[in-house]
Amino acid sequence: QQQVKQSPQSLIVQKGGISIINCAYENTAFDYFPWYQQFPGKGPALLIAIRPDVSEKKEGRFTISFNKSAKQFSLHIMDSQPGDSATYFCAASIGGATNKLIFGTGTLLAVQP
Amino acid sequence: DGGITQSPKYLFRKEGQNVTLSCEQNLNHDAMYWYRQDPGQGLRLIYYSQIVNDFQKGDIAEGYSVSREKKESFPLTVTSAQKNPTAFYLCASLNREDYGYTFGSGTRLTVV
Repeated sequence: QQQVKQSPQSLIVQKGGISIINCAYENTAFDYFPWYQQFPGKGPALLIAIRPDVSEKKEGRFTISFNKSAKQFSLHIMDSQPGDSATYFCAASIGGATNKLIFGTGTLLAVQP
Repeated sequence: DGGITQSPKYLFRKEGQNVTLSCEQNLNHDAMYWYRQDPGQGLRLIYYSQIVNDFQKGDIAEGYSVSREKKESFPLTVTSAQKNPTAFYLCASLNREDYGYTFGSGTRLTVV
């Protein structure tokens, strides 16, 4: 119930292409869904986040699509660039005092020039 | 600049030793967290603290201990009871206004 399942484990995309990473959850109490980007040897950095009252959120080339009925959400990276090559984590949490984030297992994205 | 500082960046532990990882933040955040990262397993929660002098176990607390004597500091001790401590350890704090986590740059611990 507390898991967040992420796929694919790794992804290779050509420069200019669209990268798509998917996540699924079971716990309907989750109310905050962020995506984090991590470069080797660094801590994750918040990329974009969404709440279940909206179906899509866009920030620059990054878009989160959210399907509440299917309990799925995805990250789309438009016009992927070599600098986007990193590990991406989806996560989910239940609001309130603790805000513990439950992370997916990560997707290693490689954008080829 | 506000942020989280973790030290050391690399740490080597001998069998049977306790080691302490430092985490300091100047973001004025109440809540702080420790995560462990292993290849292919994402980030798993070790301990978290919502306020000074209070902390709770996460999903994998066995073999670890923490303290929260100051708002700015949340050190993690990896004890000899942790049988597989080699991992990348990440400290984070929470901005309760937007739910955003800020992570430190991590400490890579290796058992030698």
